[in-house]
Amino acid sequence: TAGITQAPTSQILAAGRSMTLRCTQDMRHNAMYWYRQDLGLGLRLIHYSNTAGTTGKGEVPDGYSVSRANTDDFPLTLASAVPSQTSVYFCASSDSTSRTGDGYTFGSGTRLTVV
Amino acid sequence: AQSVAQPEDQVNVAEGNPLTVKCTYSVSGNPYLFWYVQYPNRGLQFLLKYITGDNLVKGSYGFEAEFNKSQTSFHLKKPSALVSDSALYFCAVRGLMNTGFQKLVFGTGTRLLVSP
Repeated sequence: TAGITQAPTSQILAAGRSMTLRCTQDMRHNAMYWYRQDLGLGLRLIHYSNTAGTTGKGEVPDGYSVSRANTDDFPLTLASAVPSQTSVYFCASSDSTSRTGDGYTFGSGTRLTVV
Repeated sequence: AQSVAQPEDQVNVAEGNPLTVKCTYSVSGNPYLFWYVQYPNRGLQFLLKYITGDNLVKGSYGFEAEFNKSQTSFHLKKPSALVSDSALYFCAVRGLMNTGFQKLVFGTGTRLLVSP
């Protein structure tokens, strides 16, 4: 089934440690995104990538970095985790060139707890 | 800047009754509007979208949404609710970042609880 695969499903991480959340899509979408979901705040964009080799900052980029070495993969890295990064992280992709205004396809999420 | 408001944190409805989940938006130009549903421990799933054309848009699982330009609203509706419709619903509008890149801006979500 075509879609987005995120790993791990959940993780408990000690504060100060680093971690990379993985995201892979098989739809050849040009655009990919990382969101965090927090109660009462909805989904907030962390970083995005319009095409392989380019990335951009979203609303809440501090403490996170991304890379887009190829079309399919878009990993999110926390260099030194802090408790405020406890959240559910969703990766998404889209064909942003579509004139029909296609929406996003989401992964199942990674639940991260920083202690 | 573009934004979406979902004024209700939770909507309660009895099974078989009609349901409405409210959404208002703010965006420059013509709006591209979306509804997504999230079931527990799952990612968001696309329900429907409004790009242009008829103000009443039909989507998955019997849901529909009514676009009202004068009220800048895009309320989600279903004539007869099912217990299985209980989930978290997000409204979204497509907007532009400063770089010209398109992104979806999401509301804070509305939890729908359908009781038997």
